[in-house]
Amino acid sequence: GENVEQHPSTLSVQEGDSAVIKCTYSDSASNYFPWYKQELGKRPQLIIDIRSNVGEKKDQRIAVTLNKTAKHFSLHITETQPEDSAVYFCAASKGDSWGKLQFGAGTQVVVTP
Amino acid sequence: DAGVTQSPTHLIKTRGQQVTLRCSPKSGHDTVSWYQQALGQGPQFIFQYYEEEERQRGNFPDRFSGHQFPNYSSELNVNALLLGDSALYLCASSLVGGLQETQYFGPGTRLLVL
Repeated sequence: GENVEQHPSTLSVQEGDSAVIKCTYSDSASNYFPWYKQELGKRPQLIIDIRSNVGEKKDQRIAVTLNKTAKHFSLHITETQPEDSAVYFCAASKGDSWGKLQFGAGTQVVVTP
Repeated sequence: DAGVTQSPTHLIKTRGQQVTLRCSPKSGHDTVSWYQQALGQGPQFIFQYYEEEERQRGNFPDRFSGHQFPNYSSELNVNALLLGDSALYLCASSLVGGLQETQYFGPGTRLLVL
């Protein structure tokens, strides 16, 4: 089955700097890659997603890139703010899995003022 | 427009007991997926319900079962609880159709098994 690896496990950045989280997946049939942000004690919130027919997607300070050949995708956060501090999860799914998401282990991002 | 809701928020049980967790999907959604999130880990897929049937299942034992009602709400049942079942149980709703199903999560039920 699909296996998603996520790095790094923790990431500390200064406010205003950029943060990058990388994920790799094993199943070349995967075609949907969402990113979720989970603050302490709260639900995972979808922040951005990308499908395999697109190489890059941006939404304000957040961007996701996808390299299908290498089977990896990355989350980029620019101009980080303290409220960006949270655990970020990447996930992957494929069309015949009826939306079953395989998650990475998560990245704890800490933005220091 | 109500988002995904879950009840109860917290639950304490003892080993061997049975538990039922409930989920109401986001308005307009017809599919409910359940995930187990152990402390410090990513969510693990348990199963998914659509049209009142289980259509996809993860690597969880038969002690985990579920149901979907005609109004699309869903229940997760866990029998013969083990200490290792202690986790945050999340449900996510989505709408079938299109290339992929974007899932939105509820706040979760935190289960502690003693």
